[in-house]
Amino acid sequence: DQQVKQNSPSLSVQEGRISILNCDYTNSMFDYFLWYKKYPAEGPTFLISISSIKDKNEDGRFTVFLNKSAKHLSLHIVPSQPGDSAVYFCAASEFYGGSQGNLIFGKGTKLSVKP
Amino acid sequence: NAGVTQTPKFRILKIGQSMTLQCAQDMNHNYMYWYRQDPGMGLKLIYYSVGAGITDKGEVPNGYNVSRSTTEDFPLRLELAAPSQTSVYFCASGPSGRREQYFGPGTRLTVT
Repeated sequence: DQQVKQNSPSLSVQEGRISILNCDYTNSMFDYFLWYKKYPAEGPTFLISISSIKDKNEDGRFTVFLNKSAKHLSLHIVPSQPGDSAVYFCAASEFYGGSQGNLIFGKGTKLSVKP
Repeated sequence: NAGVTQTPKFRILKIGQSMTLQCAQDMNHNYMYWYRQDPGMGLKLIYYSVGAGITDKGEVPNGYNVSRSTTEDFPLRLELAAPSQTSVYFCASGPSGRREQYFGPGTRLTVT
């Protein structure tokens, strides 16, 4: 059973507009969430994260929103640029037993930003 | 810093062969991880290590083995390769007290 779900396999956006990537989770014990960006033939690159004690975290053009009651998070990219075209993975982590928790990944959403 | 490095980048194995995927990091991270990514899927954790001499199974450990004799290196061993092990393998590392993991460039493995 998937604990982290990215229900949109792909998203196409015009350059300069907002990109919104969504992620849902089922495990209420997750307390930390991360977004990774992946270009073809490269490893995932950490983009931005958010702790469950917050509902928003911003870093430049990237903002992550967390709605704990809905078990939903989203990544907003404003303005979108062609270089943002990549696969975006949502990941979640649960802290337990002194371990810092392993990451559970969604299947990814492929973002295409058209000039 | 080179970050996380992986060798080889590509490999083709015949069924039943064995090989070791190499992973090294120069960030002095205690935590290291091995993932596999199949087409259209997210990353699945194979094995992880919280420090030299300590390893543990992840979600999909069958058919793999690991060792961690130093902080820097975390090799992944495939014994008796099977077509189901055709995948892209990523190694990652992370510092203690932080959840972020930093990934290597990956190894694309084909078993035929």
